[in-house]
Amino acid sequence: AQSVSQHNHHVILSEAASLELGCNYSYGGTVNLFWYVQYPGQHLQLLLKYFSGDPLVKGIKGFEAEFIKSKFSFNLRKPSVQWSDTAEYFCAATVYNQGGKLIFGQGTELSVKP
Amino acid sequence: DGGITQSPKYLFRKEGQNVTLSCEQNLNHDAMYWYRQDPGQGLRLIYYSQIVNDFQKGDIAEGYSVSREKKESFPLTVTSAQKNPTAFYLCASSKGLASTGELFFGEGSRLTVL
Repeated sequence: AQSVSQHNHHVILSEAASLELGCNYSYGGTVNLFWYVQYPGQHLQLLLKYFSGDPLVKGIKGFEAEFIKSKFSFNLRKPSVQWSDTAEYFCAATVYNQGGKLIFGQGTELSVKP
Repeated sequence: DGGITQSPKYLFRKEGQNVTLSCEQNLNHDAMYWYRQDPGQGLRLIYYSQIVNDFQKGDIAEGYSVSREKKESFPLTVTSAQKNPTAFYLCASSKGLASTGELFFGEGSRLTVL
């Protein structure tokens, strides 16, 4: 079955530490990939997306993600986290020819200590 | 302001009762979605609709029903057949297919079965 897996359920970092959140997907065909973020008390919102082209994509608030096709991965990174990055992060994927179905990973809760 | 409105925000239900969650959008989006969010399981797709009067089952449609009579409305009914209905329900919409664009989410409805 098609699925998206996130490696860490809860990550705790101090401010200024570097962040990498893992995401793997199991689709065999062409995929579009997304990272969404849910800040405490707020709506889920799009952080960044990859459709094609440069495998390193940049999103809002200094986040970036790298698509590595050979590893079926789309890891999220940030060089230096801030307390305001505390949130839950969701990786999501959709298969190119199944346009309506966006599948989410389990989510990773990030806590940044000031 | 444009956006997605879900109501009610909190709902309590007795076992054996059906309940309907409302989702309205004024973004003029064609596609709408219902997800269920449970701790440690991320978001799971219940139903989605890409056009008025048409909808498709997601991964966990059993015990749920939807309708799409108007472009701006996509109500979800949680029936008594749903074995574990206590959860946080999120409605979303997108201008085109989920594979090609961003999903916009509502604030969610938390259903508790007593």
